[in-house]
Amino acid sequence: TQLLEQSPQFLSIQEGENLTVYCNSSSVFSSLQWYRQEPGEGPVLLVTVVTGGEVKKLKRLTFQFGDARKDSSLHITAAQPGDTGLYLCAGAANNTDKLIFGTGTRLQVFP
Amino acid sequence: GAGVSQSPSNKVTEKGKDVELRCDPISGHTALYWYRQSLGQGLEFLIYFQGNSAPDKSGLPSDRFSAERTGGSVSTLTIQRTQQEDSAVYLCASSLGGVAETQYFGPGTRLLVL
Repeated sequence: TQLLEQSPQFLSIQEGENLTVYCNSSSVFSSLQWYRQEPGEGPVLLVTVVTGGEVKKLKRLTFQFGDARKDSSLHITAAQPGDTGLYLCAGAANNTDKLIFGTGTRLQVFP
Repeated sequence: GAGVSQSPSNKVTEKGKDVELRCDPISGHTALYWYRQSLGQGLEFLIYFQGNSAPDKSGLPSDRFSAERTGGSVSTLTIQRTQQEDSAVYLCASSLGGVAETQYFGPGTRLLVL
């Protein structure tokens, strides 16, 4: 069974701080996605990474896919209250059209 | 254009009753997914429809759960004889098909079984 573990589970920080969220698995994924979910809404896709070692930047967010395609990280620089939400990683299960979602990281950024 | 819509937004029911949850995907999207999310945690895959292919039901937790997709568009998730542990947010997503395509999520239906 393919599983994705995220850490930390909860994160409360002050505006302006940097943070990193980790998504780890013992399984290889063909691609990996990061979503953000706000209360009362469905998750919204932030980025998809497909190549081992790939780094993608989205404004203050930097996403990295591990060389072995088993793990990923999300780094946020100078966090803002608008970054508050539930961050989910999701991996494409091998030979299927299903996504395996991680356990989630709940981020709270205080002004 | 319109996004994925789900109804009802909230549902409170008594243990043992049946419930139906509806999902209207984005027009033209051939793939439709149902997920369950408990207490703001990660998403648990339930079922996947792709075009006219047989659905992937591998995530349904018990035979009390079933889903259908009529005319390749609207989908209904039915939970029979609801139990308290069925309480969760049920999310629907649609895409153009294939795991590489972006999944667009609806706002979810919050189900509470008393």
